[in-house]
Amino acid sequence: QSALTQPRSVSGSPGQSVTISCNGTRRDIGDYNYVSWYQQHPGKAPKVMIYDVNKRPSGVPDRFSGSKSGNTASLTISGVQAEDEADYYCCSYAGIYTWVFGGGTKLTVL
Amino acid sequence: EVQLMESGGGLVQPGGSLRLSCAASAFTFDDYTMHWVRQAPGRGLEWVSGINWDSDNIGYTDSVKGRFTVSRDNAKNSLYLQMNSLRVEDSALYYCAKGGGDTTEFDEWGQGTLVTVSS
Repeated sequence: QSALTQPRSVSGSPGQSVTISCNGTRRDIGDYNYVSWYQQHPGKAPKVMIYDVNKRPSGVPDRFSGSKSGNTASLTISGVQAEDEADYYCCSYAGIYTWVFGGGTKLTVL
Repeated sequence: EVQLMESGGGLVQPGGSLRLSCAASAFTFDDYTMHWVRQAPGRGLEWVSGINWDSDNIGYTDSVKGRFTVSRDNAKNSLYLQMNSLRVEDSALYYCAKGGGDTTEFDEWGQGTLVTVSS
């Protein structure tokens, strides 16, 4: 159960596209299409932004999208906005009823 | 509106025990897998444990196996986490989270209960 690997920080100017990567293994991301992404603002509970690799819950803006290739998942924010500044975490089902999170990425909107 | 209300956190000495509870409302509790996720101060999220609707499928992260026990009481719409042999590194905000039904994400979260393990 090793944590998924994310960059510690990313940044972008308003309107730019930003992508956050999430590297796993063939025992988690590589084996299951069960990757989800969470947004967490300071002092708040996490909020799901993407599930099942690329599905968006109702109410999440369509500028958020997810994808997967091999053992790596990605979250893209197309046209980042000031309110998107937050911590982002990826998560994958890892088999035998276990889940694993990434270490988190701090998004700074310049 | 779905509500998840955690309780039972507090200050405990290393080696001690605590029992966390999560009271759920506004959804059919026994239709969903439930989870505990923790976050140490200034650190990232860590999945701790999950339990399916009828307690037939249960999982734990390696670091808590043999020390923590998850359970649920569907009649009381409640989720529990019995934590024994607590270590300093178990100190964290513990969130209760609802599973997504046919999907595997955590779609609703409580506000968390703080556990501090210190002498």
